[in-house]
Amino acid sequence: EPEVTQTPSHQVTQMGQEVILRCVPISNHLYFYWYRQILGQKVEFLVSFYNNEISEKSEIFDDQFSVERPDGSNFTLKIRSTKLEDSAMYFCASSVTPGLARYTQYFGPGTRLTVL
Amino acid sequence: DAKTTQPPSMDCAEGRAANLPCNHSTISGNEYVYWYRQIHSQGPQYIIHGLKNNETNEMASLIITEDRKSSTLILPHATLRDTAVYYCIVTTGGGNKLTFGTGTQLKVEL
Repeated sequence: EPEVTQTPSHQVTQMGQEVILRCVPISNHLYFYWYRQILGQKVEFLVSFYNNEISEKSEIFDDQFSVERPDGSNFTLKIRSTKLEDSAMYFCASSVTPGLARYTQYFGPGTRLTVL
Repeated sequence: DAKTTQPPSMDCAEGRAANLPCNHSTISGNEYVYWYRQIHSQGPQYIIHGLKNNETNEMASLIITEDRKSSTLILPHATLRDTAVYYCIVTTGGGNKLTFGTGTQLKVEL
């Protein structure tokens, strides 16, 4: 069964450094998402991406964040200058199989980001 | 998206059915009920979804009331591996975001 994959599983960085989290969505999906979960808190939506542009973003997704689909398979989340409060699990998800009316979002295993 | 209300925690004996309720009294006609679960800090795992009719798959059954204001997720024979936080989410689907609440922590015990 196809699945969403994410790398790395754990990323440790120093405050102020740039990080790129990588995701390979399910191959025929059209929508891509990033969510995050701070330890002990809810899963929060960050951004959705469709047709090579952001379709929706939350208040969390400020100018320090960016997303990109650099090729036909990868979907990345970049944090330009990390802060301590960016420490969280980051989940990638994908959805929408064209022509089949299947809208379920499938999530990857997550990347644990630790900012020191 | 409509808001949902779930009990914060439930216990279930292994081998018994786990029935997890969800209230979504403000659901709109075009909104689906989705259930996900999260085991420890893993990625949310899709379980099942429905619009009006009851649904069943290899993981669970979903019972939606006729007025669609509430639903119940049924795990027919719970195992220890079903211990997780279960989220009931109402959404129109498509490319829309999912809004997670605090869910129900299900603990399956021997």
